[in-house]
Order: sequence, then structure tokens, then C-alpha cells
Amino acid sequence: KQEVTQIPAALSVPEGENLVLNCSFTDSAIYNLQWFRQDPGKGLTSLLLIQSSQREQTSGRLNASLDKSSGRSTLYIAASQPGDSATYLCAVMYNQGGKLIFGQGTELSVKP
Amino acid sequence: EPEVTQTPSHQVTQMGQEVILRCVPISNHLYFYWYRQILGQKVEFLVSFYNNEISEKSEIFDDQFSVERPDGSNFTLKIRSTKLEDSAMYFCASSELLGKGYEQYFGPGTRLTVT
Repeated sequence: KQEVTQIPAALSVPEGENLVLNCSFTDSAIYNLQWFRQDPGKGLTSLLLIQSSQREQTSGRLNASLDKSSGRSTLYIAASQPGDSATYLCAVMYNQGGKLIFGQGTELSVKP
Repeated sequence: EPEVTQTPSHQVTQMGQEVILRCVPISNHLYFYWYRQILGQKVEFLVSFYNNEISEKSEIFDDQFSVERPDGSNFTLKIRSTKLEDSAMYFCASSELLGKGYEQYFGPGTRLTVT
């Protein structure tokens, strides 16, 4: 069964810290992987997409890496800010144009 | 920047009633999706739609559910006879291939409450 797991479920850090969120997937034959941000009661905002042939993608203070063979991805957030507080979701696609399979998310709280 | 829009933002309905959730995907996108998220749970896939037909559906998407693209811009999800367990946030998403690798863009969601 294709499953996505995110660890930790919740994380609280002081402002300014660098942090890493983890995502693992059981079937390594992915097409791509997307990281999303979800604010409470809101929709999903796409942060980064990594194609299966790529090792990492960067956007501002965010860097996502992909190790397909081990079934893992990490989202690195540099110099965290209170505005980064949200739930971060990892999702994988196995077929081009197909469905996304989501992890349960990591709820991040950045304290001023 | 183009975005996916959804209406209504909140729908309250009685058990057994029909509801239609509406979405306007990003205009040049070709792939369309519905997902749902029950409070406190994972986002779950319902159905995908491409070239005017369903390309994949989940076990959740039974005969009570249907999708339509009635006019080339809107994309709707209909639930014929709602149940209490249909209460959830419903998200529409769309994607394209060209230069974007099927990156999916999500709408703000419709919160469906079945009483």
C-alpha cells in the first residue's frame, strides 16, 4: 500500500532557528513530490515541487530535498519566523497527472 | 497570479439533501481534482478528471458522487444524498504539464456541514 508519513506530528521552535521536517513514502517509484503549507481552516498553498529526477529545490528560505531510493524527503526552513507557523504537508504523485497521496502533516509553531 | 476559486466557502445542509460544490480551475489547466479533508485527518483524494472524463476515482467516490465540467470553465462536485460522514472540507485542485510537472494548485475549499 502506498503511504506517506510525516515526522514529527508537531514541532515548536523559537524564532530564528533552522529546522527540518521529514517525509517518508513506502513506494519509491514516485513521479514527483510536493510540499504544501496549510493555515488553520484554509486551503493548501504549494511551496515546492520536486520531480523524481531532481535531488532538491529551493525557494527563498525553503529547501526541499529528495532521496527516492530511501523513500525520504526533507523540508528545511532557515531562520524561522512566527509567520511560518502553519501545518506543512508532504504529498507524492505516482502517475503523471494522477492523484496526490498526502501525509498527515507537521504542525509547526514558531515562538517570538 | 491565477488561482483556483471555490464556492460556496461554507455550505450547511440536512442529511439526505443534494449539494453541488463549485470550482473554477486555473484557465489553461487540463487536469482537475477533488479532495476532501475530514477535521483532524489527512487530505484524501476523491476523483481526477481529464479530457472530459473521470481518469481515476477513490473508494470514497461512490454512486452518490458525480463530477461535471458543464461549460469549459466550471468544475462541479455533486453529492446526491448527503450523509453525516460527508461533513468535511472539500478542495478542488488543477494542474498542467507544460513547464510545471503537474504541480497541483488548490482552491481555498468549501466547508460542508451535514446536520
